[in-house]
Amino acid sequence: GAGVSQSPRYKVAKRGQDVALRCDPISGHVSLFWYQQALGQGPEFLTYFQNEAQLDKSGLPSDRFFAERPEGSVSTLKIQRTQQEDSAVYLCASSLSGGRPPGELFFGEGSRLTVL
Amino acid sequence: KQEVTQIPAALSVPEGENLVLNCSFTDSAIYNLQWFRQDPGKGLTSLLLIQSSQREQTSGRLNASLDKSSGRSTLYIAASQPGDSATYLCAADSGYALNFGKGTSLLVTP
Repeated sequence: GAGVSQSPRYKVAKRGQDVALRCDPISGHVSLFWYQQALGQGPEFLTYFQNEAQLDKSGLPSDRFFAERPEGSVSTLKIQRTQQEDSAVYLCASSLSGGRPPGELFFGEGSRLTVL
Repeated sequence: KQEVTQIPAALSVPEGENLVLNCSFTDSAIYNLQWFRQDPGKGLTSLLLIQSSQREQTSGRLNASLDKSSGRSTLYIAASQPGDSATYLCAADSGYALNFGKGTSLLVTP
């Protein structure tokens, strides 16, 4: 596709369940970011990949959050033992360039996670 | 940590008005300042990116200015239209991560 694709668009999980959120960046984009957006807030940075290398994971809120991009393309954000405070929209973004700064970011439509 | 503030939080204007959205940031050591638009239930669409060495950028009816030394940016929307209704987010790029404000929710009424 032409844009960043995320799946699932909506996910409802019971507290304690594990979830996996997928991001397909624009083909050829080097940089990939995950952001978390709570209701009524701006997005908060979670983690950054340059190709397959995770260069910054300082925004991951706890060790229950794990992200990977094994082949430098598709990325998965995994949340273990979900808690109610994990309820948010998880946004993925990609950019053509690597390094600092990464330039214009293209965002997907997000995955809305609701933890009951 | 970079803190980004947007004022006002919400704005309602009649169609045709010119309007200004404000963004301030605490750390002037930024690479660039970006403005995004977010429609309900959707992702972010990039509107304008101002490099730290630039003073302003223009795209159609949109003009964004940057005063890095004072930590301020403004987004000017000329001749507003109902289709401009959305949340507008500014973000300061200090390296890998964008630091976002909470956004300004804009409603343009016919």
